[in-house]
Amino acid sequence: AQTVTQSQPEMSVQEAETVTLSCTYDTSESDYYLFWYKQPPSRQMILVIRQEAYKQQNATENRFSVNFQKAAKSFSLKISDSQLGDAAMYFCAYRSNDMRFGAGTRLTVKP
Amino acid sequence: EAGVAQSPRYKIIEKRQSVAFWCNPISGHATLYWYQQILGQGPKLLIQFQNNGVVDDSQLPKDRFSAERLKGVDSTLKIQPAKLEDSAVYLCASSSTEAGRMDTQYFGPGTRLTVL
Repeated sequence: AQTVTQSQPEMSVQEAETVTLSCTYDTSESDYYLFWYKQPPSRQMILVIRQEAYKQQNATENRFSVNFQKAAKSFSLKISDSQLGDAAMYFCAYRSNDMRFGAGTRLTVKP
Repeated sequence: EAGVAQSPRYKIIEKRQSVAFWCNPISGHATLYWYQQILGQGPKLLIQFQNNGVVDDSQLPKDRFSAERLKGVDSTLKIQPAKLEDSAVYLCASSSTEAGRMDTQYFGPGTRLTVL
């Protein structure tokens, strides 16, 4: 079964600095999709960024970018110029035939 | 546009009782998902509907959980009878692309269930 591992239960970053959240996954599939979701304390999860496995170019969305290493099965999220509103739980997710989420990383942003 | 609506937001029941959760997806979204999120874990997909048909229910504990999506719009998830380990937040999500794997899922606020 596909598994998604987020090895950092908690991370903190100073406001305006950069932080990278790690994610690795295990799969035998070649066609799949990867996502980062953000879940603020209100608990409504929203999509941050997504990546198609067949694309070599790393996805970017404003201050959010990913480092997708297909051979290493790694999919990290970089948040640049961190803002107080970035504080949340971040979940990495994998989708092929089904959807699997990691256990999450709690990000704290210090003013 | 209105987001995914869920009710109730909180529910406390005794073990062996029954409970039902309701979800209203974003208008026009063909695909609807129910997830279980246990404290400290990521969401686990329970069931996926495309319109009113089931696409994936491989992780749904069918001896006690059931779900339906009548007319391809609203959906209900039921637990009967509840166990202590069912305590979790139940998330509903919807997406517009029919069974598309790239589709963005829009999540509701969730229902927090506590089983005593």
